[in-house]
Amino acid sequence: AQKITQTQPGMFVQEKEAVTLDCTYDTSDPSYGLFWYKQPSSGEMIFLIYQGSYDQQNATEGRYSLNFQKARKSANLVISASQLGDSAMYFCAMREAPNSGGYQKVTFGTGTKLQVIP
Amino acid sequence: GAVVSQHPSRVICKSGTSVKIECRSLDFQATTMFWYRQFPKKSLMLMATSNEGSKATYEQGVEKDKFLINHASLTLSTLTVTSAHPEDSSFYICSARVPPAGTANNSPLHFGNGTRLTVT
Repeated sequence: AQKITQTQPGMFVQEKEAVTLDCTYDTSDPSYGLFWYKQPSSGEMIFLIYQGSYDQQNATEGRYSLNFQKARKSANLVISASQLGDSAMYFCAMREAPNSGGYQKVTFGTGTKLQVIP
Repeated sequence: GAVVSQHPSRVICKSGTSVKIECRSLDFQATTMFWYRQFPKKSLMLMATSNEGSKATYEQGVEKDKFLINHASLTLSTLTVTSAHPEDSSFYICSARVPPAGTANNSPLHFGNGTRLTVT
């Protein structure tokens, strides 16, 4: 079963506007972490923001904020004041509690390609 | 600055040869590193978890004899693609988690810049 779902394969946003990238997840663990990464065309994965399952407030990092709705199991990324340099692939990821082997796997969604229009 | 260094960034090899990819943690010790593979316009798929001083843990469907992982030190993990074939062409990327302070569980995976492998 898909654990991380990103339903938007591609998105366009006007420069200086805000955009929301959707992410829903599926887990039965009470303790988990949610991450967003940015992958430019060059390929590197850049960490953007983190939300813990027990965090009471939505995470924010500069222009990035995470709209965490635990009951709906969604963790949407909001980018405010979009810039041309924001054009990239964006991946939502989830870290679950350690498995029997003691490893905390991180599972990635299929990504959303964001293009910022001048 | 970068906390994980991966080398080489790009490699082209002939079918049947082996290719080694290095992943180093900079300024921290990584007892565990993760190797991912990414097909064009696709997500990252975890291949294996590399453990310092012990055998790697491979995900289901990943051939351990084809993708040899060696985690010889606390700062270096290597992935060797043995007897490479064109279907092994892909983007391989390693990652490590900077040890969290205290009981914090929010330390993200830091990634190397990836290796684009092309097998001709």
